[in-house]
Amino acid sequence: AQKVTQAQTEISVVEKEDVTLDCVYETRDTTYYLFWYKQPPSGELVFLIRRNSFDEQNEISGRYSWNFQKSTSSFNFTITASQVVDSAVYFCALSEALTGGGNKLTFGTGTQLKVEL
Amino acid sequence: EPEVTQTPSHQVTQMGQEVILRCVPISNHLYFYWYRQILGQKVEFLVSFYNNEISEKSEIFDDQFSVERPDGSNFTLKIRSTKLEDSAMYFCASSTGGNNQPQHFGDGTRLSIL
Repeated sequence: AQKVTQAQTEISVVEKEDVTLDCVYETRDTTYYLFWYKQPPSGELVFLIRRNSFDEQNEISGRYSWNFQKSTSSFNFTITASQVVDSAVYFCALSEALTGGGNKLTFGTGTQLKVEL
Repeated sequence: EPEVTQTPSHQVTQMGQEVILRCVPISNHLYFYWYRQILGQKVEFLVSFYNNEISEKSEIFDDQFSVERPDGSNFTLKIRSTKLEDSAMYFCASSTGGNNQPQHFGDGTRLSIL
């Protein structure tokens, strides 16, 4: 069974600090996809980034970067120079292919990020 | 940018009543999903729908739940006889398909059962 663990329940930082959100996953699939979603106080779920299991190259997109390590089953997400608007709950999700197409997301419990002035 | 829309944003219903939550997925998407999030907890998969039938459902999705695509645009979740524990945020999502495709979520419907 798929499982996603986000051990950090809440993180508080001061604006402009860098912050890393941890995600550890379990799967028996050899090919899989990982996602990060953001849930701001308004409640919607916003897709942020996607990573596939066969590409361990880490990437940077603006203030966001992610570190995928297959050997440790981790997919960590870093926000550089955090801003108050980054305050939200961040969910890591593991994708499982469904027979007939489509996919099912297994979410972690989320990490509440609070960025203060 | 196209988006998934859900109505209503908040639904208050008496226990035992039927409720229908509505969603309009992104127009060129073929796969539709419902998830729920009990307050303060993680987002949980309920059901996936493709080609006018359920492709997978979770153990949460029991006989009280049903989904339908009554026309070319709407995708609905019906709860036949609501229970207190059905109180949650319900999210609709859609995707173009494939394990690598992100699901795009609506803003959710907060369902409160009294």
